[in-house]
Amino acid sequence: GENVEQHPSTLSVQEGDSAVIKCTYSDSASNYFPWYKQELGKRPQLIIDIRSNVGEKKDQRIAVTLNKTAKHFSLHITETQPEDSAVYFCAATPTGSARQLTFGSGTQLTVLP
Amino acid sequence: GAVVSQHPSRVICKSGTSVKIECRSLDFQATTMFWYRQFPKKSLMLMATSNEGSKATYEQGVEKDKFLINHASLTLSTLTVTSAHPEDSSFYICSATGGPYEQYFGPGTRLTVT
Repeated sequence: GENVEQHPSTLSVQEGDSAVIKCTYSDSASNYFPWYKQELGKRPQLIIDIRSNVGEKKDQRIAVTLNKTAKHFSLHITETQPEDSAVYFCAATPTGSARQLTFGSGTQLTVLP
Repeated sequence: GAVVSQHPSRVICKSGTSVKIECRSLDFQATTMFWYRQFPKKSLMLMATSNEGSKATYEQGVEKDKFLINHASLTLSTLTVTSAHPEDSSFYICSATGGPYEQYFGPGTRLTVT
């Protein structure tokens, strides 16, 4: 089955700096890669996603890049703000998996004011 | 985005009793719903996949007789934790999908078994 590894587990940045979180996946058949933001005690919220036919996607301060050859994808947050502080999860879903998501272990991002 | 509700948000029950958690898609028809369990400061662990009108598919290690899942309609799935024990205490989250990719999560249910 699919295995998703996520790094780092914790990340602290100064407000205004950029944050990068990286994930690798094992199943070359995976074709959909969402990123979720989860605040303490709350539901995971989809913040951006990318499909395997695209190498990069951007939405305001958030961008995701995908390298299918290397089987890794990354989340980039620019101009970080304190409200970006949360746990971020990457995930992957292979074709034909009934759309099941395999999650990474999560990254606790702290943006210091 | 699509809205998924979950009820109750918190429940405390005594050991040996059963608890039912409901997951509803409010503004779309969910062909598939998923149930996850999340331990403190950990990732989401998929428990089962539920398709409307058919039996749920459980992940390895998840007891189907303990965690009963029913997906009776395109907008409702239920998870019943039977004969709950303290080790079943956890944060249970459902998600729903009506399309090929995106999953939308419910707000979660905090279960405490005393």
